[in-house]
Amino acid sequence: NAGVTQTPKFRILKIGQSMTLQCTQDMNHNYMYWYRQDPGMGLKLIYYSVGAGITDKGEVPNGYNVSRSTTEDFPLRLELAAPSQTSVYFCASSWGEGYNEQFFGPGTRLTVL
Amino acid sequence: SQELEQSPQSLIVQEGKNLTINCTSSKTLYGLYWYKQKYGEGLILLMMLQKGGEEKSHEKITAKLDEKKQQSSLHITASQPSHAGIYLCGAEKYRGTYKYIFGTGTRLKVLA
Repeated sequence: NAGVTQTPKFRILKIGQSMTLQCTQDMNHNYMYWYRQDPGMGLKLIYYSVGAGITDKGEVPNGYNVSRSTTEDFPLRLELAAPSQTSVYFCASSWGEGYNEQFFGPGTRLTVL
Repeated sequence: SQELEQSPQSLIVQEGKNLTINCTSSKTLYGLYWYKQKYGEGLILLMMLQKGGEEKSHEKITAKLDEKKQQSSLHITASQPSHAGIYLCGAEKYRGTYKYIFGTGTRLKVLA
């Protein structure tokens, strides 16, 4: 099992550019999450999904979009990159709700200049 | 809104010393998780606590959740350089929810 994989590991974007952060899990988890981690801050939930075709906003969804067409994949889209989106992005997955361990990917370090 | 306060924010200890990291909430915690993060890597679950008064240990790390379930501590005994990293506490925002909140993290450095 690869667990949760994320690509790319690093990326530098110019203001206004778009990109998609990829996330794939091979554990057949129902729940998937996208977080961002800013320096000195905890993780903030961007979007989450409770199953294929179902997504919902977290705490900080502005400037992002997601889709969940399959159980395995949960890509995060940045349409018009802004410096405020410079952060480390983590994808995670879990079986379901309640006392569930979240399995995290290695993260994508994004810089917007 | 519920937040998790972690202390200290950073810690530098000599190898072999004991240390404690605290995680405090203004509200009752449901499902408290301790994660460790190394630079460039994701978060690895260390301990998961559910019940008030619960205590779990693994190797040299012990985690406790107080009876009121509003404070948790992570204690490392005889620290080693391999313990270095960022420690994060996380909790479910509401009972049985899939929304988690996280503390701001404690950066630990262990000097050999």
